[in-house]
Amino acid sequence: NAGVTQTPKFQVLKTGQSMTLQCAQDMNHEYMSWYRQDPGMGLRLIHYSVGAGITDQGEVPNGYNVSRSTTEDFPLRLLSAAPSQTSVYFCASSYTGGGQETQYFGPGTRLLVL
Amino acid sequence: KQEVTQIPAALSVPEGENLVLNCSFTDSAIYNLQWFRQDPGKGLTSLLLIQSSQREQTSGRLNASLDKSSGRSTLYIAASQPGDSATYLCAPLTGANSKLTFGKGITLSVRP
Repeated sequence: NAGVTQTPKFQVLKTGQSMTLQCAQDMNHEYMSWYRQDPGMGLRLIHYSVGAGITDQGEVPNGYNVSRSTTEDFPLRLLSAAPSQTSVYFCASSYTGGGQETQYFGPGTRLLVL
Repeated sequence: KQEVTQIPAALSVPEGENLVLNCSFTDSAIYNLQWFRQDPGKGLTSLLLIQSSQREQTSGRLNASLDKSSGRSTLYIAASQPGDSATYLCAPLTGANSKLTFGKGITLSVRP
């Protein structure tokens, strides 16, 4: 199993541009989520999904969209990038999101917005 | 709102020392707590998961304990090695959205 994969590894955007961060998992996990990691802030939940067709907002959802058309993929869309969205983005997954399960994280995407 | 504190922010120890990393959280209504390791520029690797009904969990030289009622968890590393140098994050899982709330981490440096 490849586990949780993320692309790209690094991206530079100009303010106002849009882009999609890709996340995929091959473990047949129902639960997937996106976090951002900022210095001094820790990781914060952006959006999450409990299964195909079901998404919901986390702690910091503004400026981001998600969709879940398949079990495997959970892309994160930046609609109009802002410098405040400069961060490292992590995707995570687990079987159901339940309390007995380990959550597995991808390697991250580093995003710089100029 | 769950808040997680990890103190100190950084720790430097000589190789071979046994050490304890502390984590405290404000909301004791957790489902589980995970300890993660993060190497510079890398993703998070899960080290241990403790269920809310458990008191401790062990993996090799690592032992994690959980005192849910007092809102505390510790990660014990035995016989530390330079390869243990990394940032260690604790994250209790709460709520219907299976949200992990992360501490800011403890950056550990093990000196040869």
